[in-house]
Amino acid sequence: SQKIEQNSEALNIQEGKTATLTCNYTNYSPAYLQWYRQDPGRGPVFLLLIRENEKEKRKERLKVTFDTTLKQSLFHITASQPADSATYLCALDMARSSNTGKLIFGQGTTLQVKP
Amino acid sequence: GAVVSQHPSWVICKSGTSVKIECRSLDFQATTMFWYRQFPKQSLMLMATSNEGSKATYEQGVEKDKFLINHASLTLSTLTVTSAHPEDSSFYICSAQARTLGAYEQYFGPGTRLTVT
Repeated sequence: SQKIEQNSEALNIQEGKTATLTCNYTNYSPAYLQWYRQDPGRGPVFLLLIRENEKEKRKERLKVTFDTTLKQSLFHITASQPADSATYLCALDMARSSNTGKLIFGQGTTLQVKP
Repeated sequence: GAVVSQHPSWVICKSGTSVKIECRSLDFQATTMFWYRQFPKQSLMLMATSNEGSKATYEQGVEKDKFLINHASLTLSTLTVTSAHPEDSSFYICSAQARTLGAYEQYFGPGTRLTVT
């Protein structure tokens, strides 16, 4: 079965630096991979989606890469701000190469940006 | 943007009682809605998938008679936790997917904190 591992439970960085979060999956390469932000006591908020045929995706200060050979996605936040402090979740579809909408989530990485 | 609401945001109930949680898509029609559960310090786990007008499909290990799901319209799905026990205490989150908004994106509700005493 597919499993997702996010490299660390917590990441502390200084304001202005780039935060890099890692998501590794163990089995088949999914058709797409998503990143979400979750604040304490709240539901996840969609950030970015990257498809299997895309190497990189950007949105403002966010960048996601997808390496199907390494079975890995990297999530970068450049010029980080204290407001970026949250838990970031990696998710992918349970089905291989299709969109069922049934997501498997990683355990998340909690980012703390210090001023 | 697409907004999904949940009601109530938190609920405390006694063991043995039933609790209903509503999930609504406010500004779009949701072809599919999903229900997740999240225990403290853990990630979201999918419980079931519901499509409007049809029976929900449950993930392995989720009791369908305990977690009743009704998807009465394209904007409303409800989850009823029947005969709740303390181990059912968790954070329940719904999400909605609409093809018109993008083939893959899901929009999550704010979650409902259930505490069973």
